[in-house]
Amino acid sequence: QGQLVESGGGVVQPGRSLTLSCAASGYTFRSHGMHWVRQAPGKGLEWVAVIWYDGSIKNYAGSVMGRFIVSRDNSKNILYLEMNSVRVEDTAVYYCARLYGDKGGKWDYWGQGTLVTVSS
Amino acid sequence: DIQMTQSPSSLSAFVGDRVTITCRASQSISTFLNWYQHKPGKAPKLLIYDASRLQSGVPSRFSGSGSGTDFTLTINTLQPEDFATYYCQQSYSSPYTFGQGTNLGIK
Repeated sequence: QGQLVESGGGVVQPGRSLTLSCAASGYTFRSHGMHWVRQAPGKGLEWVAVIWYDGSIKNYAGSVMGRFIVSRDNSKNILYLEMNSVRVEDTAVYYCARLYGDKGGKWDYWGQGTLVTVSS
Repeated sequence: DIQMTQSPSSLSAFVGDRVTITCRASQSISTFLNWYQHKPGKAPKLLIYDASRLQSGVPSRFSGSGSGTDFTLTINTLQPEDFATYYCQQSYSSPYTFGQGTNLGIK
C-alpha cells in the first residue's frame, strides 16, 4: 500500500518563498505522475499542478502559473512544490496525490497535507 | 476551463437513508470523472473513478453513474462514517477542476 507524506509547511511572509516536499513509499514512484492539490480555509479542493512520471511534462493552475514550480527526484522518491512570490490567498493545506494511469487516470493515494500560512 | 457544478451544496440525512449527489460539467468530459470523500484533517479518499468504477476497498454501497456532462454519486444505506464532504473532479483536461463540494450531515 502506497504512502505519501507532505512536509515543509509553515508561516511565510507575502512575497517570500517556501518549498514543500512529498515523500513517497510503498510503490514505484518513478512510474507515476503526481499532483498537488490545495484547500484554503473554509473552501473546497483546488488543483494546483501536475508532473509526469519522468518530469517531462508539467501543468499548472492559472492562479499559480509563473510563481510555483513542481519538480521531482525519482532517485529519492520525493515530489516538490517550490512556492515563490507567495500571496495571502495561497494560504491552504497542500496535498500531494498519486496519478494512476495515463489519460485521465485516478488519483488514488493522497497525503495528509501540510499547512501553509501566508501572513505578515 | 471546465466548470464542475455540484448539487446540492449541503444536505442532511438519517443513518440508513439513500442519498444522491449530482455533478454537471460545463462541457463533455466523457467518463473522466472521479468522486472523493473528504473529512476534516484527513486525506481525501477516492471513491469512484471513470464515473462508475468503484475504487478497491470502497464499500459497495457507493456507486457512480453518468457520462458526457451529467453524473451522480449514490450512497445506499448511509452509515455513520459516511458523513463527510464529497467532491466530484474532472480528469479530462488541465486544469483538473473540482466541484464546490457537498457537505453531507446527520439529520
